[in-house]
Amino acid sequence: AQSVTQLGSHVSVSEGALVLLRCNYSSSVPPYLFWYVQYPNQGLQLLLKYTSAATLVKGINGFEAEFKKSETSFHLTKPSAHMSDAAEYFCAVSNNTDKLIFGTGTRLQVFP
Amino acid sequence: KAGVTQTPRYLIKTRGQQVTLSCSPISGHRSVSWYQQTPGQGLQFLFEYFSETQRNKGNFPGRFSGRQFSNSRSEMNVSTLELGDSALYLCASRKAGGHQETQYFGPGTRLLVL
Repeated sequence: AQSVTQLGSHVSVSEGALVLLRCNYSSSVPPYLFWYVQYPNQGLQLLLKYTSAATLVKGINGFEAEFKKSETSFHLTKPSAHMSDAAEYFCAVSNNTDKLIFGTGTRLQVFP
Repeated sequence: KAGVTQTPRYLIKTRGQQVTLSCSPISGHRSVSWYQQTPGQGLQFLFEYFSETQRNKGNFPGRFSGRQFSNSRSEMNVSTLELGDSALYLCASRKAGGHQETQYFGPGTRLLVL
């Protein structure tokens, strides 16, 4: 069975600091991996996705993620946090049956 | 291009009632999936419809059902509501439904069961 683990339900950073949100996956087949962001009272917005074309994936709003098969990880990073990045972030894996399996989410707080 | 729309955005019901939620996918998208989001269980897959057929189903009781129309719009229905059904219900659409395809989410319907 496929699963996703997000380490750290809450992450706090200062504005301008590096953002690192962790995601590890379990999959018996080559996975498709996604990062979504959810702002308060809104749906999910795709940040980026990995579909085996390149291990370093660049997304919107300056975010990127690196697929590391040896570590079964797909961590999300951003070099410099902005106040507007405060939101909840979800890592997800797509399995053979086409549904998305989500992690439990990481709430990012950005302090001035 | 208009995004995924969901109606209503907010809903209050009482236990035992039933509710119908609606989702209009992005134009040209034929696959619609539904997810339930709660603080305790997180985001969980309910079901997926493609070309008016349920193609995939999550681990939810039979009180949860759905359908898709010929124009790809989808509805989900919850009968005999329970307090635990209070959640944000999210709909997502994609073109054809390959698992590498991006799912685009609507804003959700927030259901409160009293």
